[in-house]
Amino acid sequence: AQSVTQLDSQVPVFEEAPVELRCNYSSSVSVYLFWYVQYPNQGLQLLLKYLSGSTLVESINGFEAEFNKSQTSFHLRKPSVHISDTAEYFCAVRRSYNQGGKLIFGQGTELSVKP
Amino acid sequence: EPEVTQTPSHQVTQMGQEVILRCVPISNHLYFYWYRQILGQKVEFLVSFYNNEISEKSEIFDDQFSVERPDGSNFTLKIRSTKLEDSAMYFCASSPGQEWADTQYFGPGTRLTVL
Repeated sequence: AQSVTQLDSQVPVFEEAPVELRCNYSSSVSVYLFWYVQYPNQGLQLLLKYLSGSTLVESINGFEAEFNKSQTSFHLRKPSVHISDTAEYFCAVRRSYNQGGKLIFGQGTELSVKP
Repeated sequence: EPEVTQTPSHQVTQMGQEVILRCVPISNHLYFYWYRQILGQKVEFLVSFYNNEISEKSEIFDDQFSVERPDGSNFTLKIRSTKLEDSAMYFCASSPGQEWADTQYFGPGTRLTVL
């Protein structure tokens, strides 16, 4: 079985400050890792994913996440946040090589960017 | 860009009533999913559907739940006799399933309130 822990339920930061949203996972099998973002009153949107290869993955809007197998972590970072990044962020895992497999989500981290 | 749509956006029902939540997945996708999020809790997997049958379901998905793909475009979740604890946001998702690393795309959700 897999599980995901997001260590911070809420992260308040000021605009243009760096941010890190933490995610740790537990799994006895190989997994893929995902970050989804949910803006207010919207659905979940894929932000970035790690499947294989380079352990550092990036999104188009400046977020990046690094897969650390030894620490079973997949923390999300951004060097300078904007007001528009205010949203809830969900870390998720899925067993690898499992087409159509279910996603296991963390509890979510609410990022609040203040001017 | 194609997207998953869900109707209605908000459904209010009385305990014991049947509800049907509707989803239109992305047209060339092969796998379909339902997840739910009770207020303040994690997003939880309910069921996945492939090739006109359930491929996986969670313990939550008991006999009061059913899914159907009645035509080539819609994917529905039926709750036969709603309970107060069924109040949640229900998300539909779909994935292409054509690669070993397919991505799930989520709809905006239906907020179900059971009174």
